[in-house]
Amino acid sequence: AQSVAQPEDQVNVAEGNPLTVKCTYSVSGNPYLFWYVQYPNRGLQFLLKYITGDNLVKGSYGFEAEFNKSQTSFHLKKPSALVSDSALYFCAVRDGNSGAGSYQLTFGKGTKLSVIP
Amino acid sequence: DAGVIQSPRHEVTEMGQEVTLRCKPISGHNSLFWYRQTMMRGLELLIYFNNNVPIDDSGMPEDRFSAKMPNASFSTLKIQPSEPRDSAVYFCASSLGGGGLSIYFGEGSWLTVV
Repeated sequence: AQSVAQPEDQVNVAEGNPLTVKCTYSVSGNPYLFWYVQYPNRGLQFLLKYITGDNLVKGSYGFEAEFNKSQTSFHLKKPSALVSDSALYFCAVRDGNSGAGSYQLTFGKGTKLSVIP
Repeated sequence: DAGVIQSPRHEVTEMGQEVTLRCKPISGHNSLFWYRQTMMRGLELLIYFNNNVPIDDSGMPEDRFSAKMPNASFSTLKIQPSEPRDSAVYFCASSLGGGGLSIYFGEGSWLTVV
């Protein structure tokens, strides 16, 4: 079974400060990791993903995430937060080794990010 | 390109009524997913179709829920009869295959059963 943990329900950060949204995962095979963002009353939007290669992945809107295999983590980061970044962020994992079953994308509970002006 | 299109965006219905949610995936995508989002349980996968065939429906809560995909460009999720505990946001999503490919979500259907 695969799982994702987002240990913080809410993260508050001042505008202009760096932000981190934490994610740890558990999967039996190779992890395929994703971050999605959900703005109020909207669907989930893809931000970035890690499949293989460089552990630092860059995505949309200036976000990046670092894959750490030893810590089974995939934290989302941004050097300077904007008020418009305030949203719900979801981490997700797929098992890259599961072949036909690799469709199964397991989401974390989500972390609400509030950027304070 | 048009994204995943869902309808209705909002639905308020009385307990016991039938509810049908509709989805048009992104053209060319061969995988389609129905998810349910609630505060208590987060995002749950209800059912997964590949090439219009249901592959995994283990997430469907009970027999009141059914989903179909008659062709590559259309899917429905039906609840009959509906109950207040079905109130949630239902998302349809599509992708081109599985593995490392990204899933693209629709805007959701916000269902309230009173």
